[in-house]
Amino acid sequence: KNEVEQSPQNLTAQEGEFITINCSYSVGISALHWLQQHPGGGIVSLFMLSSGKKKHGRLIATINIQEKHSSLHITASHPRDSAVYICADLNYGGSQGNLIFGKGTKLSVKP
Amino acid sequence: GAGVSQSPSNKVTEKGKDVELRCDPISGHTALYWYRQRLGQGLEFLIYFQGNSAPDKSGLPSDRFSAERTGESVSTLTIQRTQQEDSAVYLCASSLAGFNTGELFFGEGSRLTVL
Repeated sequence: KNEVEQSPQNLTAQEGEFITINCSYSVGISALHWLQQHPGGGIVSLFMLSSGKKKHGRLIATINIQEKHSSLHITASHPRDSAVYICADLNYGGSQGNLIFGKGTKLSVKP
Repeated sequence: GAGVSQSPSNKVTEKGKDVELRCDPISGHTALYWYRQRLGQGLEFLIYFQGNSAPDKSGLPSDRFSAERTGESVSTLTIQRTQQEDSAVYLCASSLAGFNTGELFFGEGSRLTVL
């Protein structure tokens, strides 16, 4: 059974801090998604990656296939980064439409 | 359209009534997902459509829930005889399914309140 675990569950940071959110999965994947859900509820895709590292602005996502682990980093955090960050394992041939979601990490960045 | 469109955005109904929620995916997206999100909770998988294949209905919580999709276009999620525990935001997502091309696009959701 494929399980996706995120840590921490909740994270509070001061503006400007470097933030890391972790995601571990138990079954080999086709790709891993990082998603952001704002307090208003909308979900946007941040990254989809299957190897290495991707960067977009202050966001960096890395993945280690051998260790079945991915991290999302936020540099110079800002209150507008406050949201729930969700990782999802895309595994073709798997269950639930090939996508298994983590429970999310709730990030709160204080000014 | 430019993104995934869901309607209605809000629906308040009485217990026992039927409701229909609609999802218009991005044109050309073969994969379509329905999720439910209760207040303060994570995403709960309901159903997955992929092209003309039989849908994965493994997440539907009861036989009161059903969903249809016409080809690779609009999908409708129907909840019959609604119960208060059905109150949630129902989210639709679509993607171009294929190895390494499955970036997900979510709609804004349909908030259902059952009184």
